[in-house]
Amino acid sequence: NAGVMQNPRHLVRRRGQEARLRCSPMKGHSHVYWYRQLPEEGLKFMVYLQKENIIDESGMPKERFSAEFPKEGPSILRIQQVVRGDSAAYFCASSPPATSPGTQYFGPGTRLTVL
Amino acid sequence: QKEVEQDPGPLSVPEGAIVSLNCTYSNSAFQYFMWYRQYSRKGPELLMYTYSSGNKEDGRFTAQVDKSSKYISLFIRDSQPSDSATYLCAMTDSNYQLIWGAGTKLIIKP
Repeated sequence: NAGVMQNPRHLVRRRGQEARLRCSPMKGHSHVYWYRQLPEEGLKFMVYLQKENIIDESGMPKERFSAEFPKEGPSILRIQQVVRGDSAAYFCASSPPATSPGTQYFGPGTRLTVL
Repeated sequence: QKEVEQDPGPLSVPEGAIVSLNCTYSNSAFQYFMWYRQYSRKGPELLMYTYSSGNKEDGRFTAQVDKSSKYISLFIRDSQPSDSATYLCAMTDSNYQLIWGAGTKLIIKP
């Protein structure tokens, strides 16, 4: 059973460009979470999605960031008009329905560098 | 004040030593407590999951929760160089959102 897949693993963008990060959850998992991690810091929750629904986006910046989890295909985290402060590791996690709170399975992350 | 406090370290110990990692928290509504391990440039992986106060053991790892003191610990016995990683505590109330500590970097010296 493949784990959570994220691509690309590394992404370099210039200021003002768009970054698109993809996450394929584990088979059978319908819940997806996105986190951001800065060097030497813990994980910051961004958004929680289920298929075709955003459940909680309280951690998402109000502008330039959006996320989706369509009925078919991976979850996408989109960052428009990137700035240097967006440089970070972005992790996706998934969990099956009706699981104990906090049991999430993480992907390897996408490291975004904004030049 | 952060909701979850965790000493970032680094904590350096010799191989074979017992390691103690700790977190404190301020929200008495937290019910579920997790320890994740994160190797450099990898995603976190769930190590231990506890719900109630007390101890939970899994191999060389023991998780301890003291709700009255709002304090959780992870003990690693017979530490190995392969245990060198960053250990993150996380906790949640009855919903899904995890609140994370900053992580403690652990170094096991051969």
